[in-house]
Amino acid sequence: AQTVTQSQPEMSVQEAETVTLSCTYDTSESDYYLFWYKQPPSRQMILVIRQEAYKQQNATENRFSVNFQKAAKSFSLKISDSQLGDAAMYFCAYRSEWGNDMRFGAGTRLTVKP
Amino acid sequence: EPEVTQTPSHQVTQMGQEVILRCVPISNHLYFYWYRQILGQKVEFLVSFYNNEISEKSEIFDDQFSVERPDGSNFTLKIRSTKLEDSAMYFCASSYPDYGYTFGSGTRLTVV
Repeated sequence: AQTVTQSQPEMSVQEAETVTLSCTYDTSESDYYLFWYKQPPSRQMILVIRQEAYKQQNATENRFSVNFQKAAKSFSLKISDSQLGDAAMYFCAYRSEWGNDMRFGAGTRLTVKP
Repeated sequence: EPEVTQTPSHQVTQMGQEVILRCVPISNHLYFYWYRQILGQKVEFLVSFYNNEISEKSEIFDDQFSVERPDGSNFTLKIRSTKLEDSAMYFCASSYPDYGYTFGSGTRLTVV
């Protein structure tokens, strides 16, 4: 079974600085999808960014980018120019190309200091 | 942008009672899901639903749980004989046949 590991329970960043959240996963599959979700205090799950495993190019969405290392099974999220509104729980998630369910990591709580 | 709508936002129920959590997925989506998040813990997959039947379910989704799409627009999760440990945030999600999920805003279930 696929597992997703987020080794940083909590991270902190100064406003306007850059922070990187780590995620590793375990799979024997070659085709899959990876996601980062943001969960603010409202507890809604908001998609931040996604990556197809067959794409070598790292996904980017405005201030959010990923460093996808397929061989190392690593999928880190970089947040540039951090804003107070970025404070939230961030979940890394894996989805098999063939499966329906999405597997989540335990989450990283990001605090942004003014 | 289309949304997945969940009602109610908060449900309080007595232990042993049955609850039905409701979701309206995005209209052209074909796959529907329920996830659970116990406070402070990770988001856990419960069940996926496609073509009017369950396509996958986790070990959490036992006989206490059932899902239904009664009228072509709603997607419901029924929890029978609720227990204290069923208290959690329940998220509905839907997707078209690609990899993108859209989550609802969740229903907070409190069993007392």
